[in-house]
Amino acid sequence: SQQGEEDPQALSIQEGENATMNCSYKTSINNLQWYRQNSGRGLVHLILIRSNEREKHSGRLRVTLDTSKKSSSLLITASRAADTASYFCAPSPGSGGSNYKLTFGKGTLLTVNP
Amino acid sequence: GAVVSQHPSWVICKSGTSVKIECRSLDFQATTMFWYRQFPKQSLMLMATSNEGSKATYEQGVEKDKFLINHASLTLSTLTVTSAHPEDSSFYICSLDRHSGANVLTFGAGSRLTVL
Repeated sequence: SQQGEEDPQALSIQEGENATMNCSYKTSINNLQWYRQNSGRGLVHLILIRSNEREKHSGRLRVTLDTSKKSSSLLITASRAADTASYFCAPSPGSGGSNYKLTFGKGTLLTVNP
Repeated sequence: GAVVSQHPSWVICKSGTSVKIECRSLDFQATTMFWYRQFPKQSLMLMATSNEGSKATYEQGVEKDKFLINHASLTLSTLTVTSAHPEDSSFYICSLDRHSGANVLTFGAGSRLTVL
């Protein structure tokens, strides 16, 4: 398993602005996932992008993937105070099965100020 | 509603005692569950993979005799922190893959352990 590294570690923006978070990883992947964690809670899966995809949208979320650079970005448009949370990327190198494990970096702490 | 239920959500115990945390899959028969630990402002650290009907697989550096994992049914995995010490105080989170191999994890809400 491998973990992604999120950048920046912390991001503070005003409501209505866009927030961009980046993720870098080291080895080849099958897919890359983004998760969100509200303070004191478990993680929630946001979006999955496969290695043969370059961009994916889900509501106000836009994820890009550049496998040549081994990087991904998560864009949250028109941010809201409720988007305040930590965001984690999780590179997934293989297909499923009980032997596979996802690992996580330190995340990006996003604060959206009202 | 929650599809992965963790209990208790928080617990305070005295040093030297043991604490059991339950992780239940409410709508899915999970042969595998994952246990993570998270210290404040740190990443989630994978502790072990819980396998139904067999021994758990522990990550390097995680003491299997300290963190006992039992996965006796397809809907329940338990993590017991034995002889807890203040340094075991942490946020423990379980998860499982409900998508049969897509590696998309569904997490419980976590259990905050404080050892006095």
